[in-house]
Amino acid sequence: DQQVKQNSPSLSVQEGRISILNCDYTNSMFDYFLWYKKYPAEGPTFLISISSIKDKNEDGRFTVFLNKSAKHLSLHIVPSQPGDSAVYFCAATYQGAQKLVFGQGTRLTINP
Amino acid sequence: KAGVTQTPRYLIKTRGQQVTLSCSPISGHRSVSWYQQTPGQGLQFLFEYFSETQRNKGNFPGRFSGRQFSNSRSEMNVSTLELGDSALYLCASSLKVGAGTEAFFGQGTRLTVV
Repeated sequence: DQQVKQNSPSLSVQEGRISILNCDYTNSMFDYFLWYKKYPAEGPTFLISISSIKDKNEDGRFTVFLNKSAKHLSLHIVPSQPGDSAVYFCAATYQGAQKLVFGQGTRLTINP
Repeated sequence: KAGVTQTPRYLIKTRGQQVTLSCSPISGHRSVSWYQQTPGQGLQFLFEYFSETQRNKGNFPGRFSGRQFSNSRSEMNVSTLELGDSALYLCASSLKVGAGTEAFFGQGTRLTVV
């Protein structure tokens, strides 16, 4: 039973345009959501997070939107840069646990 | 400020052997958690430690175990290795437990079982 799903295995975006990565979850107990970026042979790098009491959080070029009723969140990257090419993981947790439940990841490729 | 350090970076073991992986968290961080990444299963939670106590455990067989020391460093052990244990093992540290605490990952240990 996959509680966190990223249905797009890959996404290709032109440099300078907006990248939108999507994530769905099924467990209504989740109250904190995070996005990580991962390069091959490296550990995930924390990007941005959002609490379930908010519907938007912004940090520079990265914005995360949360729609609790739809159990859906998305990561927007504007403008997209070549260095953004990586695998992006959505993760969720609840009750303050450090047990992160990850999606399967979306490989983002930024084309020049 | 040093990040999360995992040793060794690469390891090759034979089926049936056991292995111990080490993780040094970011200075001041007291929570350590472990994850396994494989192509088929993605990133899966193994266990979480805080103040030398296991707080959560994932759905892995008893061959997988871990511990945390008083200086917050952590080790995980896998006994009677199987081919399917080949994976990237990632350690993450957090300053504390509780909502809104981000986990910071190390570079991982790549374990290959032959």
